[in-house]
Order: sequence, then C-alpha cells, then structure tokens
Amino acid sequence: GQQLNQSPQSMFIQEGEDVSMNCTSSSIFNTWLWYKQDPGEGPVLLIALYKAGELTSNGRLTAQFGITRKDSFLNISASIPSDVGIYFCAGIKAAGNKLTFGGGTRVLVKP
Amino acid sequence: DAGVIQSPRHEVTEMGQEVTLRCKPISGHNSLFWYRQTMMRGLELLIYFNNNVPIDDSGMPEDRFSAKMPNASFSTLKIQPSEPRDSAVYFCASSLRAARETQYFGPGTRLLVL
Repeated sequence: GQQLNQSPQSMFIQEGEDVSMNCTSSSIFNTWLWYKQDPGEGPVLLIALYKAGELTSNGRLTAQFGITRKDSFLNISASIPSDVGIYFCAGIKAAGNKLTFGGGTRVLVKP
Repeated sequence: DAGVIQSPRHEVTEMGQEVTLRCKPISGHNSLFWYRQTMMRGLELLIYFNNNVPIDDSGMPEDRFSAKMPNASFSTLKIQPSEPRDSAVYFCASSLRAARETQYFGPGTRLLVL
C-alpha cells in the first residue's frame, strides 16, 4: 500500500480561488516533490524540496517541507482553468533512492 | 529537445499474450525508471536502472514481468504471459544521474489485457 497519504482526494476550484493540498506519512522523507499530471500525459515536476522547513515557490505555486519531515504542503494561489489536473506528492527516504508517490489530488473546475 | 519516448501509446491484447513496452530515455540521462499507474494502487515504481544496470527491481510484481536495458538509449518492459490485472498505464522516466534528481516522465503506454 501507499506510504504517503494525500488529501483531499479531489476538490473543485473556481477561477481566482486559492487551493491547498497536503501529504502526510508515518515515515521520514529526505526529499519531497510535487508533480502535476494532465490527462493522457506523464507527471511533470512542479517543485522539489530538499530541506526540512524549506518553503519554495514556482510562480503561483508554493510548497513547504514539513519540519518533522513527515509532511508537505502545496498551495496554488489565484487558480486558473489550466490548474485542473491531478497533483501528486512524492518522497524519497533518506536511506533509499526510490520515489514513493501519494494517491493524488484531483483538481476539477466548479460547474 | 525530445523528451522520454514510449511506444506503443496504446496496447490492447488478450490474456496470455506477450506484451513488450519500449522506452527511449532523454539523451545523456543515466537513470531510467519504469512505473505502473492504476486507480487502485496509484503510481508504483517497478524497476530502476542506473548506467544500464538494474539497481532495484523490488517493485516488479512477479516473474511474468521482466525489464532490460541493453544500452543507454533503450529499455523494454516485458509481460509474459499477460493477465487482465496487468491492465494499467506504464510510464518510463529518466533522470540525469539518480532518483533524487528531477525525473522526466514519458507519455505512458495504456495497456488493456482482455
């Protein structure tokens, strides 16, 4: 089973709203990554975090590496229609070199 | 610049048939990864190569799955015999040196085993 718990599983956004999602684990990770996947495509890296407490931005995206190393957060400010997609968190443990992915947060547009 | 190239993009086959998925990593990348994505299990790492050598194949489901990387520009993932539960999207990804670095994903192969 998955070691990373991502929430929410899905959410509706309205253009202009801020969006938040998070990823938690019972294990410590040395690196946290956030990916976005569009339909029919592979995941694309958005932000990489390498140090506990680190806060990194990429345009309207901001992600934080939790101080406990067991969680990470992604915020999207002033959402636009192209923000729709599936967002995945991924972590690399200190002792290993494999990416472990969360279950994804599906971002949809409010009808 | 060409990204990771995967073929075929879609594959429909019957249970028991052999399936071969192909991947061409980004030129100059030394690490290659095969992932499987399903609704139930999400994205799972199957196997990881570094400099054409398999480093970790603990994610390979069973003996029906095998992967090879005969050279730096080509890898295959083979399923023989295929079963309906193998239906999934299979992604190949590559990175410059190691898993810690940015992994670039291909578009995936959508496999349906009837």
